[in-house]
Amino acid sequence: NAGVTQTPKFQVLKTGQSMTLQCAQDMNHNSMYWYRQDPGMGLRLIYYSASEGTTDKGEVPNGYNVSRLNKREFSLRLESAAPSQTSVYFCASSESGVGNGYTFGSGTRLTVV
Amino acid sequence: GDSVTQMEGPVTLSEEAFLTINCTYTATGYPSLFWYVQYPGEGLQLLLKATKADDKGSNKGFEATYRKETTSFHLEKGSVQVSDSAVYFCALISGNTPLVFGKGTRLSVIA
Repeated sequence: NAGVTQTPKFQVLKTGQSMTLQCAQDMNHNSMYWYRQDPGMGLRLIYYSASEGTTDKGEVPNGYNVSRLNKREFSLRLESAAPSQTSVYFCASSESGVGNGYTFGSGTRLTVV
Repeated sequence: GDSVTQMEGPVTLSEEAFLTINCTYTATGYPSLFWYVQYPGEGLQLLLKATKADDKGSNKGFEATYRKETTSFHLEKGSVQVSDSAVYFCALISGNTPLVFGKGTRLSVIA
């Protein structure tokens, strides 16, 4: 099984450009998440989707939008990239229930210049 | 809100040394607790978990016990290997809120 697949793996953007990070899972999980990882900050939640058709803001949603396209896919969009959005972005998915861990993708390393 | 505090790194150990990475938490209700590991250039992998007080999670020689009285979930391994070099994250889920992470502890094991 592929698990959680993220594309692209690397991206360089100019300030003001837009892009969409793609995420797909093949485990039939209900919930999906986008985190960003920055040095010394751990992982911070950007947005999540508890189930198909719903999305909610996390800790750091400003500058981002998301779309839960179907049960498998959850995309993250940067409308106007800023250098502060330089980060590594991780998508994850999980089954409902507090005892279930998350399955993570391998990440997208984004640099905004 | 819910939060996780883990010891700051980096931690550098010699091969076969004993490892402890401290983790404490603040949460309403009764959270489930997790340790994730991130090897260089990779995503996070679930290392172990515990879903109720006094549970012990274990995997690959690592252990952690859910201590409600001290709100702790310290990660231990009796004899580390070079291949254990990675970043370790403590995390919790409480109620319907998504996973909350600590800031991570980088472990380097030298031969």
